[in-house]
Amino acid sequence: SQELEQSPQSLIVQEGKNLTINCTSSKTLYGLYWYKQKYGEGLIFLMMLQKGGEEKSHEKITAKLDEKKQQSSLHITASQPSHAGIYLCGADGGNNDMRFGAGTRLTVKP
Amino acid sequence: GAGVSQSPSNKVTEKGKDVELRCDPISGHTALYWYRQSLGQGLEFLIYFQGNSAPDKSGLPSDRFSAERTGGSVSTLTIQRTQQEDSAVYLCASSLGTYTQYFGPGTRLTVL
Repeated sequence: SQELEQSPQSLIVQEGKNLTINCTSSKTLYGLYWYKQKYGEGLIFLMMLQKGGEEKSHEKITAKLDEKKQQSSLHITASQPSHAGIYLCGADGGNNDMRFGAGTRLTVKP
Repeated sequence: GAGVSQSPSNKVTEKGKDVELRCDPISGHTALYWYRQSLGQGLEFLIYFQGNSAPDKSGLPSDRFSAERTGGSVSTLTIQRTQQEDSAVYLCASSLGTYTQYFGPGTRLTVL
């Protein structure tokens, strides 16, 4: 089965700083999803990447998919306290199930 | 194992039939979430249970969808009069009142 490993597990940054979160798959990635998780709320869908080399941006968040490396990265520019939360990557596990990384907990200090 | 379990793993039904999907959360987890993922789309939040509070049903797409959580543990998502657009993977997650949600393997629903 496919396993997704995220790094780092937690991240504390000063407001205004840039940061990157990585998601590495044990198998070929055919589609990769990024989500944000806030306490007491459901997951928020950020973006989906399907093609190698694809890059998508939403506000100050950019995600890239490197098929060869079986890896995706999520980059936040000029972080704000509103970016705080847990970021999860997910992918089709290939066996009628969804797989998720363990998440990266982001804290942004004002 | 001690993870979130869902049943059935696969369900094929005919249009117009009712279906029930079950979620067994991790023991002791106070929060339970239902999501669905349609082909090629991200997760769509459906409903959220937290302890004894009234559930947050803001994500349910229509009144054909309902969910309950009995005894603060097992949850059932019911879809009445299924339509083809209901076909998706339905995912359940639970958490211990903190950020981290633990996901079940999902139920793949196909409506013919």
